[in-house]
Amino acid sequence: AQSVSQHNHHVILSEAASLELGCNYSYGGTVNLFWYVQYPGQHLQLLLKYFSGDPLVKGIKGFEAEFIKSKFSFNLRKPSVQWSDTAEYFCAVNKKRFGAGTRLTVKP
Amino acid sequence: GAGVSQSPSNKVTEKGKDVELRCDPISGHTALYWYRQSLGQGLEFLIYFQGNSAPDKSGLPSDRFSAERTGGSVSTLTIQRTQQEDSAVYLCASSVLAVDRDTQYFGPGTRLTVL
Repeated sequence: AQSVSQHNHHVILSEAASLELGCNYSYGGTVNLFWYVQYPGQHLQLLLKYFSGDPLVKGIKGFEAEFIKSKFSFNLRKPSVQWSDTAEYFCAVNKKRFGAGTRLTVKP
Repeated sequence: GAGVSQSPSNKVTEKGKDVELRCDPISGHTALYWYRQSLGQGLEFLIYFQGNSAPDKSGLPSDRFSAERTGGSVSTLTIQRTQQEDSAVYLCASSVLAVDRDTQYFGPGTRLTVL
């Protein structure tokens, strides 16, 4: 069965720290991978997506993610977080399987 | 233009009652998705409408759940004989094309509480 695992439930960082949020999936077919973000009080929105080609994809607000097929992973990264990155982040496979989300708190 | 809208924003109902949740997608979007998000959980896919094709109902958790999309635009999710475990935020999303690669735009959700 398809599944998506986000192992970090809550991450707390100071501003300027580097971020990496883990996402692992289990699926035997073609995967289209997504990261979504939900800022406090706002709608869920797309951060970035991967379908094919360069496994390193860049999204909005300085975020990037790397697809590693051999590890079934699609981790989200940002070199230097800001207080405004405080939000909940969701990884998804094929728009049908979402992880449980990781809450990121950035301390000013 | 206007984004995806959902109504009501909050719904409190008694166990056993039926509820209808509405989604107005972005005009011209052919694909429409329903998800639900329970406390502490990720999004759970419910149903997907793709243009004029038959909807993908593979995520509906029971036959108490149904959805329709009239005229290729507005969609209604109906939950019959609600149970307490149906309490969740129900999210709707739409995209221009009915392909996985197209960006989804989410609505604000309807928070359903079943007492």
